[in-house]
Amino acid sequence: EAGVAQSPRYKIIEKRQSVAFWCNPISGHATLYWYQQILGQGPKLLIQFQNNGVVDDSQLPKDRFSAERLKGVDSTLKIQPAKLEDSAVYLCASSFPPGLSTDTQYFGPGTRLTVL
Amino acid sequence: GEDVEQSLFLSVREGDSSVINCTYTDSSSTYLYWYKQEPGAGLQLLTYIFSNMDMKQDQRLTVLLNKKDKHLSLRIADTQTGDSAIYFCAFYSSASKIIFGSGTRLSIRP
Repeated sequence: EAGVAQSPRYKIIEKRQSVAFWCNPISGHATLYWYQQILGQGPKLLIQFQNNGVVDDSQLPKDRFSAERLKGVDSTLKIQPAKLEDSAVYLCASSFPPGLSTDTQYFGPGTRLTVL
Repeated sequence: GEDVEQSLFLSVREGDSSVINCTYTDSSSTYLYWYKQEPGAGLQLLTYIFSNMDMKQDQRLTVLLNKKDKHLSLRIADTQTGDSAIYFCAFYSSASKIIFGSGTRLSIRP
């Protein structure tokens, strides 16, 4: 079974530039998550989708971050404009809907963003 | 608020047992997890335990849950060099999201 795919794996940009990350979840997983993992910390949830609807975006800095999952499968996360403090690994995860199975989330390899 | 606390570092000798501990805040959590993260990789689910259990064993891994004290531990028997990684404790919160600790970096010495 294919895992969660993410691209690119690495991205280096200058502050005030824009960047986008892509995620393809495990087939059949209706729930998709984007996390930000700053060096030395655990992942912090940015946004959660159920199919193509947003379930929780309470920790998403909406002035600069946006995410979409138009067809309920792939998702993109965008940062515009980037700040130095956005340097982190952006992890995508997917799962069956909450309440089914063990609520286990499966993670992709992440995109490491460096903002100079 | 919802939180998970873990010690930052653990160093063990190859072949010994490793015990990684964490404490969490949400007494109503249903599932508790241990994830492993190797350098440059995403998080890999190692094991999980349902909140009505107090122990789960899976090959070299033993998970102990003390629900009264909100304490979770992961024991790795016969620790090998391939076990070097960061281990994250996490729980499924009443707000329907997973809360992660900051991770414990496990290093193995020969």
